Amino acid sequence: QKEVEQDPGPLSVPEGAIVSLNCTYSNSAFQYFMWYRQYSRKGPELLMYTYSSGNKEDGRFTAQVDKSSKYISLFIRDSQPSDSATYLCAMSTGNQFYFGTGTSLTVIP
Amino acid sequence: DADVTQTPRNRITKTGKRIMLECSQTKGHDRMYWYRQDPGLGLQLIYYSFDVKDINKGEISDGYSVSRQAQAKFSLSLESAIPNQTALYFCATSDSNPSKETQYFGPGTRLLVL
Repeated sequence: QKEVEQDPGPLSVPEGAIVSLNCTYSNSAFQYFMWYRQYSRKGPELLMYTYSSGNKEDGRFTAQVDKSSKYISLFIRDSQPSDSATYLCAMSTGNQFYFGTGTSLTVIP
Repeated sequence: DADVTQTPRNRITKTGKRIMLECSQTKGHDRMYWYRQDPGLGLQLIYYSFDVKDINKGEISDGYSVSRQAQAKFSLSLESAIPNQTALYFCATSDSNPSKETQYFGPGTRLLVL
């Protein structure tokens, strides 16, 4: 079993839709949770960072962590064509990072 | 200027050749990493270093070696390149402070081994 599981998609939504991206994990030692956005032919860029359980909001983006269910989510409100990218979840114990395989998102104008 | 830079950005080489990919960072981070990314497989850790005298193997280190020349520089070598090492390679850095536990990635090196 992989440390981190992420549905690869692809996911296609109309502009303005609410997007929900999810990851599950098996290691209860994970304390740090991240979402990265990767545009084609570019490096991943940090989008959201959360320590332990709870919600974090930044503009149109909301990250949720449920440690009891070992489940994290990223919500994108009012999605825009510029949000079209691959989204990677990542988790850390404090020393090593573990990444999901990424979900490809296309927002159709 | 970018905080994490990688050179070259693109490289085509032949089977059996030795090549080096270089990474530099201006973020002042202690920790540096090398990953490869293949379609459908996500990011796979090759090597990582927590400071200048520290080198650790990741999950796919066979066929690769690294050198941490300074806090800001971490290079990856393919001693004898083979076609299945064709991939996108990323360097990343992170702070050793637990409250800043995130990674920052370079732009990537696209490598093709013929």
